Formats: sequence, C-alpha cells, structure tokens
Amino acid sequence: AQSVSQHNHHVILSEAASLELGCNYSYGGTVNLFWYVQYPGQHLQLLLKYFSGDPLVKGIKGFEAEFIKSKFSFNLRKPSVQWSDTAEYFCAVKKNTGFQKLVFGTGTRLLVSP
Amino acid sequence: DTAVSQTPKYLVTQMGNDKSIKCEQNLGHDTMYWYKQDSKKFLKIMFSYNNKELIINETVPNRFSPKSPDKAHLNLHINSLELGDSAVYFCASSQEDRGLSSGGYEQYFGPGTRLTVT
Repeated sequence: AQSVSQHNHHVILSEAASLELGCNYSYGGTVNLFWYVQYPGQHLQLLLKYFSGDPLVKGIKGFEAEFIKSKFSFNLRKPSVQWSDTAEYFCAVKKNTGFQKLVFGTGTRLLVSP
Repeated sequence: DTAVSQTPKYLVTQMGNDKSIKCEQNLGHDTMYWYKQDSKKFLKIMFSYNNKELIINETVPNRFSPKSPDKAHLNLHINSLELGDSAVYFCASSQEDRGLSSGGYEQYFGPGTRLTVT
C-alpha cells in the first residue's frame, strides 16, 4: 500500500525565512502529487499539484514544489515566508491508474513568528 | 458561493446516540468523499462515491453508513456513537471519474464538521 511521509512535524520560522517541507512517498508507479494547506480553523485548500510535465510546479501564494522521481520526493518550498503562512501543510499522493484514493501525509505544522 | 458545504459545523452528542452529517457540492462533480481528521490532524479517507455508487470503503466500522441520494449530496450517518468517533469530518468532491486514468484532479474540501462525543 502506498504511504506518504512528512518528516517535519513542527517547523518554526521567522518572517522572511526560507521554507522547505519534505514529502516522500512509497509507490513505484506513476503518481499525482498534491500539497494542501489548512489555515487555523479552516478547510483544506490546494496549494499546488503535479500531474505530468515540468517537475517544478508553481502554486498559489508564492509556493513551489519539485517532483524528483528518483527520490520519490515532492518537497514544498517558499523563498520568504510570511506570518499569514502559519498553517498545517499536507502532502498527498494518488496513483495515476484508474480511480484511486488520495493518501495524505501526517502533516507539518508551520508557525511563522512576526 | 460555497462549493462544498457541510452541516452542521459543530455536533456535540452523547455516546450511544445516532447522528447524521450532510454534505452538498455545487461543482457538478461526479465523485464525493468523506474523510476523518483525528486529534493529531491526520486525514484518512473513509468513503468515496462516484455517481451515487460506493467505490471506496476503507475499513470503517459498519456503524458508519454513507448515503448518496444524488451526485451532489453525500451524507454520513453514524450509529451508536463512541468516544473514539470524536474528530473533524471533511467532505470533498472532485471531477474524478471511475474507469478513466486519473487526470490529477484535485479534491475540493468542505469546511468540516467537528464531532464531539461525550
């Protein structure tokens, strides 16, 4: 069964610091990859996704992620975080073969101090 | 316009009761989902329906019974509630279509229903 690992459970940064959140998955076939964000008390929103093509994906709010197939990774990056980026970040993976479930990582809680 | 809506937003009830959570989407999607988010924020899929047909059932106790009266609605009924059922339940929908290769379709999530069983 596929699984998703997010190695950083809690990250604390100061504003303007750079961010990189790790995500690794375990599935050898073709996958679709997603990063979702959950702001405090809110529902999940899509930050970005990888389906095919350019492995460097740009999303909303200045976020980007790079798919490295050989490393089974899809790390999320932002060059300069803001206080408003404080949220829970979830990586998710879905097999690209027919109808498949979306498997989430355990999430990374990001706290940005002003 | 709310794309995926859930009611109620908060639900506090006692052990042993039966309760329902409703979900509606106005995105015209064919597929809907229920997820459970536990106290550690871990999200796990419970059910998925495509065109009113159950296609994913993830080892959820049979006290949980989803019902899809039409493509735009997916309700979750829970019998004999237990303390461990306390969680936030999210409904979601997507354009995903059974039988086709995944198009990388994102899932749109509702605001969640915080269920507290006392």
